[in-house]
Amino acid sequence: EAGVAQSPRYKIIEKRQSVAFWCNPISGHATLYWYQQILGQGPKLLIQFQNNGVVDDSQLPKDRFSAERLKGVDSTLKIQPAKLEDSAVYLCASSAGRRFLSGANVLTFGAGSRLTVL
Amino acid sequence: DAKTTQPNSMESNEEEPVHLPCNHSTISGTDYIHWYRQLPSQGPEYVIHGLTSNVNNRMASLAIAEDRKSSTLILHRATLRDAAVYYCIGERDQTGANNLFFGTGTRLTVIP
Repeated sequence: EAGVAQSPRYKIIEKRQSVAFWCNPISGHATLYWYQQILGQGPKLLIQFQNNGVVDDSQLPKDRFSAERLKGVDSTLKIQPAKLEDSAVYLCASSAGRRFLSGANVLTFGAGSRLTVL
Repeated sequence: DAKTTQPNSMESNEEEPVHLPCNHSTISGTDYIHWYRQLPSQGPEYVIHGLTSNVNNRMASLAIAEDRKSSTLILHRATLRDAAVYYCIGERDQTGANNLFFGTGTRLTVIP
């Protein structure tokens, strides 16, 4: 099966500019996640979608970050305006939810989009 | 959260077994224990998960303590391709909402 696709892989922008990241999850996966991973740290959840509805966006900096998942498939994450501290890898993941054989929720991640803000 | 504690780093010689420990003393009875690993410049990759019994798959084995306060990921023969950051995660039993919280993990170095 095809994996989680993300683009672009790399992006360099100046502070106060805007950027958008795109994610295409595994076909049939209802749940989609965006994580932020700062260098040297583990991934931190930004937002979780169930189909096209938001389940959890408590850690999304809503003054500058936005995300949408139209039609419950692809998703975009936007940052506007970017700050220096937004430099990170943005990871998209998808899952079928707690319907895996053993009942656990297993995520499949994309390779990530590396953002550098100058 | 089902918080976990792991050593920051470990080393192993190539072709030897590796035991990666994880403490999760606050885990509840219905929280799954997951392990993911992250190779350089890639997203995290699922390795294995378990609830109470020990688990084996083609990648690794997971040994869970009887009291479920700790677990050990076992790589039976480390290869250079196993060099990665390994994350132990307690899956919070919460239907619908996100339930996988990553810590800083254990960086495994495999020595040729």
